[in-house]
Amino acid sequence: EAQVTQNPRYLITVTGKKLTVTCSQNMNHEYMSWYRQDPGLGLRQIYYSMNVEVTDKGDVPEGYKVSRKEKRNFPLILESPSPNQTSLYFCASSLAPFSGTLGYEQYFGPGTRLTVT
Amino acid sequence: AQKVTQAQTEISVVEKEDVTLDCVYETRDTTYYLFWYKQPPSGELVFLIRRNSFDEQNEISGRYSWNFQKSTSSFNFTITASQVVDSAVYFCGEGSTLGRLYFGRGTQLTVWP
Repeated sequence: EAQVTQNPRYLITVTGKKLTVTCSQNMNHEYMSWYRQDPGLGLRQIYYSMNVEVTDKGDVPEGYKVSRKEKRNFPLILESPSPNQTSLYFCASSLAPFSGTLGYEQYFGPGTRLTVT
Repeated sequence: AQKVTQAQTEISVVEKEDVTLDCVYETRDTTYYLFWYKQPPSGELVFLIRRNSFDEQNEISGRYSWNFQKSTSSFNFTITASQVVDSAVYFCGEGSTLGRLYFGRGTQLTVWP
C-alpha cells in the first residue's frame, strides 16, 4: 500500500531534550516536505527536499533540522525543543512538485502530535 | 510576498444548501499551482484538487466544483447540496515550481442535518 508513515504519532517531551520524528514513503517520490499545523494558523512549511541531499527552508525553519540521505526518508530533528514547538506535524511526499502540464498531489502522513513541556 | 487568504474562518450551513469557500492568493511567480485539501475531524489531510496556473478551466467533480480566476487571483470551491459528511476544515494553498508551498489558515465548514 502506498503510504507515508511518521513515527512517533504522539510524543510528550521536555524542553531541551533532542528528538527526531521519522518520515518514510514507499512511493519512490522525489519531493518530501514537513509542515506544522497550529490552531488558526493553518499549515506552515518547515523544510522541503526536492531530492536526495537537497533540502531548503520553508516558512518556519527556526529550531528544526532535516536531512535527506535516502530517497525514502526525511527525518525532522529538533535539537533543543521548546514549548513553542508544541504542534501537530505532518510529513508529505510527491513526485516532482511541477512537471510540464502534469500535476502531482502530495501524500500526507497521519501526523505527529508533539507536546514540549 | 506569497500569501493565501481564506477570509472565512467558519461557515455553518444546513444540509442540502450550497456553500462556497473563498480563496485568494498572492504570488510573484508566473508559473505556480493551486490546490485544496480537506481535513475531516479524524485529522488526516485529503487531497481534493490541484490546478496549474496556465489552466484556468473550471472543474466539476460530483458535488464539488472549483472556479479559478487569474484576474482576481481567486480559486473558490463550491459544494452543491452539502451533506453532513462534508463537515471538515478546508485548506486552500499555492505552490511554486521550486518546492515552496503556502497554505491558507483554513475554513471550518459545519453542515447541520
